[in-house]
Amino acid sequence: GQNIDQPTEMTATEGAIVQINCTYQTSGFNGLFWYQQHAGEAPTFLSYNVLDGLEEKGRFSSFLSRSKGYSYLLLKEPQMKDSASYLCAVRDRGGNKLTFGTGTQLKVEL
Amino acid sequence: EAQVTQNPRYLITVTGKKLTVTCSQNMNHEYMSWYRQDPGLGLRQIYYSMNVEVTDKGDVPEGYKVSRKEKRNFPLILESPSPNQTSLYFCASSSLGQGYNEQFFGPGTRLTVL
Repeated sequence: GQNIDQPTEMTATEGAIVQINCTYQTSGFNGLFWYQQHAGEAPTFLSYNVLDGLEEKGRFSSFLSRSKGYSYLLLKEPQMKDSASYLCAVRDRGGNKLTFGTGTQLKVEL
Repeated sequence: EAQVTQNPRYLITVTGKKLTVTCSQNMNHEYMSWYRQDPGLGLRQIYYSMNVEVTDKGDVPEGYKVSRKEKRNFPLILESPSPNQTSLYFCASSSLGQGYNEQFFGPGTRLTVL
């Protein structure tokens, strides 16, 4: 099975850089996803890592270390509209089954 | 527009009254899945389907049924709902094969069982 850990809450200042960490223990690994979810809305895809290293996508970047079972999502110049829950999800080796962490609630303040 | 639709969006029902939540996608995706989301527990997978007539249990399948008679539709059936099934439900779909194959989520169905 999969076990995924994320901090429950974080606060960031508008314009700074915020890093949200995710650690996982898995019996099989075929990629790690980050999703953004605003309150009451559906999750939306942010980024994907399957190999070690950094993937950059606009203001969002995601890093993966498979040997350490560790990922982080980096958000540059956070804005109030980025206040949301950020979900880390690991895909199993067999197919498209995703196991989600409980999410990190990010609050961006002035 | 590529999308996943769910109906109804909101439902209040009583214990034991059978209900179906529909899910449909227009992206010709092979993979479809149902999740429930509860405070402090995150998204948990109920059932998933890799293709027509192929379904499998996720992490929390008890009390739910699904069917996949057509590629685009994946209804979730609660034969005898109970209050512990009060939750926010999401349907998702994705393609299979090479690539990251992100899952696209429907808007959610908020279910209350009294």
